[in-house]
Amino acid sequence: AQTVTQSQPEMSVQEAETVTLSCTYDTSESNYYLFWYKQPPSRQMILVIRQEAYKQQNATENRFSVNFQKAAKSFSLKISDSQLGDTAMYFCAFMKSGYNQGGKLIFGQGTELSVKP
Amino acid sequence: DAGVIQSPRHEVTEMGQEVTLRCKPISGHNSLFWYRQTMMRGLELLIYFNNNVPIDDSGMPEDRFSAKMPNASFSTLKIQPSEPRDSAVYFCASSFRGAGELFFGEGSRLTVL
Repeated sequence: AQTVTQSQPEMSVQEAETVTLSCTYDTSESNYYLFWYKQPPSRQMILVIRQEAYKQQNATENRFSVNFQKAAKSFSLKISDSQLGDTAMYFCAFMKSGYNQGGKLIFGQGTELSVKP
Repeated sequence: DAGVIQSPRHEVTEMGQEVTLRCKPISGHNSLFWYRQTMMRGLELLIYFNNNVPIDDSGMPEDRFSAKMPNASFSTLKIQPSEPRDSAVYFCASSFRGAGELFFGEGSRLTVL
């Protein structure tokens, strides 16, 4: 069975600084997807970034980037130039690839990030 | 695009009552998912549908829970009878072809007294 672990329940960062959220996972699969979702106080789950396991290049979306270490089963999220609007709960998630696996996201417990002015 | 639409946004009911949560997926998406979020258990997949057909309901906690998808634009999650331990936020999500990005609704917060 797959598991996802986020070892940092809470983190804080000053506005404009950089912060890294950690995530490790356990799987015997070779093909899979990894995601970071953001859940602001409004409660809606918003996709931040996505990584396909077969891609060696780390995904980047504007101020958000990941450090994907497949052998170590590590998938950290770096947020650069943190903004107040980045304050939210961040969830790391795993999904096996394959048509009938779609949507079976396994979530970590989340990291609550506070960006301070 | 309107996104995934869920109703009600909040529901407060008494133990033993029937609860029905509703979801309209994004038009064109053919996979629909129901997730539950609690402090104790985090986010759990309850059931998902591909092309209106239930594919995996192994996450449904017990027979009190049922889900239907009568057509491509509507799904319901029903709890009958409801219990206080069912209190949670229930999310509906949809995707195209069931792989890749999921688009979540705003969730339905259920409180069972």
